[in-house]
Amino acid sequence: DTGVSQDPRHKITKRGQNVTFRCDPISEHNRLYWYRQTLGQGPEFLTYFQNEAQLEKSRLLSDRFSAERPKGSFSTLEIQRTEQGDSAMYLCATQRQGAGEKLFFGSGTQLSVL
Amino acid sequence: RKEVEQDPGPFNVPEGATVAFNCTYSNSASQSFFWYRQDCRKEPKLLMSVYSSGNEDGRFTAQLNRASQYISLLIRDSKLSDSATYLCVVRTNTDKLIFGTGTRLQVFP
Repeated sequence: DTGVSQDPRHKITKRGQNVTFRCDPISEHNRLYWYRQTLGQGPEFLTYFQNEAQLEKSRLLSDRFSAERPKGSFSTLEIQRTEQGDSAMYLCATQRQGAGEKLFFGSGTQLSVL
Repeated sequence: RKEVEQDPGPFNVPEGATVAFNCTYSNSASQSFFWYRQDCRKEPKLLMSVYSSGNEDGRFTAQLNRASQYISLLIRDSKLSDSATYLCVVRTNTDKLIFGTGTRLQVFP
């Protein structure tokens, strides 16, 4: 158990619906990253936060994707008007800045868009 | 061009073999480098950091060549339990952590 919690573990939705995922980091981990991973590929960077500030967002990410970390603790990732191409594993990873570079990953949310 | 590139493999090697993986990165201002391991249907976990002088951890040796923007991982005396995907990770000058596509290793008896 890495201590990073993601909810839900699985999500099945119909094309066009909105979905929201949640990530609860290890306490005191001020950096939080979101990645997307499909079969046979490495995790693809989506966005990351330092405390509540969203520092960078992938240029590959469309405007349908948004992430928040309002109080610098948990984070949410929302996908609006889902498409079949959004089907993937969404991974959250956290890190305590200045305490080594190790990323702690959650178990991910597997999204299936029908 | 991808920011971090790896040969996807698979590398199929017998137990006891030595195997090497390579990785190249495009951002010359990248600051830190790592190898992560990912087992099937599991999340990635840190295997080792990569230092400029090269570093070793048991059977694993990592090397960095900043001039060529190249990172390597050497595994000696391969075990069945080494079968996994090995992900090269680069921290950019904006603190973004970028993963390569991963290299799949299969060690057979």
